[in-house]
Amino acid sequence: GENVEQHPSTLSVQEGDSAVIKCTYSDSASNYFPWYKQELGKRPQLIIDIRSNVGEKKDQRIAVTLNKTAKHFSLHITETQPEDSAVYFCAASILGNTPLVFGKGTRLSVIA
Amino acid sequence: DTGVSQNPRHKITKRGQNVTFRCDPISEHNRLYWYRQTLGQGPEFLTYFQNEAQLEKSRLLSDRFSAERPKGSFSTLEIQRTEQGDSAMYLCASSTRLETQYFGPGTRLLVL
Repeated sequence: GENVEQHPSTLSVQEGDSAVIKCTYSDSASNYFPWYKQELGKRPQLIIDIRSNVGEKKDQRIAVTLNKTAKHFSLHITETQPEDSAVYFCAASILGNTPLVFGKGTRLSVIA
Repeated sequence: DTGVSQNPRHKITKRGQNVTFRCDPISEHNRLYWYRQTLGQGPEFLTYFQNEAQLEKSRLLSDRFSAERPKGSFSTLEIQRTEQGDSAMYLCASSTRLETQYFGPGTRLLVL
């Protein structure tokens, strides 16, 4: 089955700096890679996703890149703000056929 | 509120008791997923439904756990003879077949 590894487990950045979180997956058939943000005591919320037919996707300050050959994908947050502080989870699946398999999460702290 | 809802939000029970949780998905979503999340971990897949059919169950799901979605709308997750190791956040998510999953707020279970 699919296995997703996520690094780092914790990340501290100064406000305004960029943050990068990396994930690797094991199943080459996986074709869907969402990222969720979870604030303390709240539900995971989708922030961006990418499908395997594209290599990069951007939404304002957030971008995701995918390298299918190396089986890794990354989340990039630019111009970080204190409200970006949360736990971020990556996940992988075969869209429509398998459930999401999540990484263990990255706790991001943005220091003002 | 058109999002995924879950009830109850919190449940405290004594070891050996049975508990039941309910999930109401987004109305047009035919897929419904149950996940379990423990502190410091990503959500772990338990089971999912397409309409009323249960399509897959995780090997993590012991025979004390049962889930139903009788009319293809809301779902219930029952845990019989609860154990302290069952203490976790139980998350429900819904989607259409080829779209992303949206999570509910979760039910936090504490087994004493």
